[in-house]
Amino acid sequence: EMQLVESGGGLVQPGGSLRLSCAASGFPFINYWIHWVRQAPGKGLEWVAIIKRDASETYFVDSVEGRFTISRDNAKNSVSLQMNSLRADDTAVYYCARDWQYAFNLWGRGTMVTVSS
Amino acid sequence: QSGLTQPASVSGSPGQSITISCTGTSSDIGAYNFVSWYQQYPGKAPKVMISEVRNRPSGVSDRFSGSKSGNTASLTISGLQPEDEADYYCSSYTSTRTPWVFGGGTKLTVL
Repeated sequence: EMQLVESGGGLVQPGGSLRLSCAASGFPFINYWIHWVRQAPGKGLEWVAIIKRDASETYFVDSVEGRFTISRDNAKNSVSLQMNSLRADDTAVYYCARDWQYAFNLWGRGTMVTVSS
Repeated sequence: QSGLTQPASVSGSPGQSITISCTGTSSDIGAYNFVSWYQQYPGKAPKVMISEVRNRPSGVSDRFSGSKSGNTASLTISGLQPEDEADYYCSSYTSTRTPWVFGGGTKLTVL
């Protein structure tokens, strides 16, 4: 079964850091770009970041540029999202999603990040 | 960042057809055929229903169809069923600094 499983969410104080992980299984991970998409409580979906197959290219939404980094380990079939200088408006469920033809065609169940003092 | 524009809500009776619009610009929907649609139930992850404007992934009911005209994309659900009641989001690849953008979401109510 193809799946993505996120982990690493939790409660963090403003200004703090958190590292999310996305573990893939059931498909040839190295062939796919991987995205992070977030959803604040009661709000819509927001695209956050992407890492391409060999990690040669990464892109971020402006609001996290310079604070978040994304990396991948193709040997371990995993992607990480390092989040620094966290703010209250980063509070959301964070999903990793597999790209196919510029669509998000496989999603994980998400991990909740709460930024609060 | 500007997102895509969707109606906040639509409704229909079982058996009817509804259409959800998604309006963008010449930098996103108007520029690329990389429009996709997602269904999301409360507390669940989104699921892709349509990719590349009109392609239906394996396993998605043929009651779901997509189209595009100019800067506006549309999702049509025919033969509405109670289980179609969910939130629906459109997305497009863009040529702007933020390469992917979502619509604000549309809550579909099946009366």
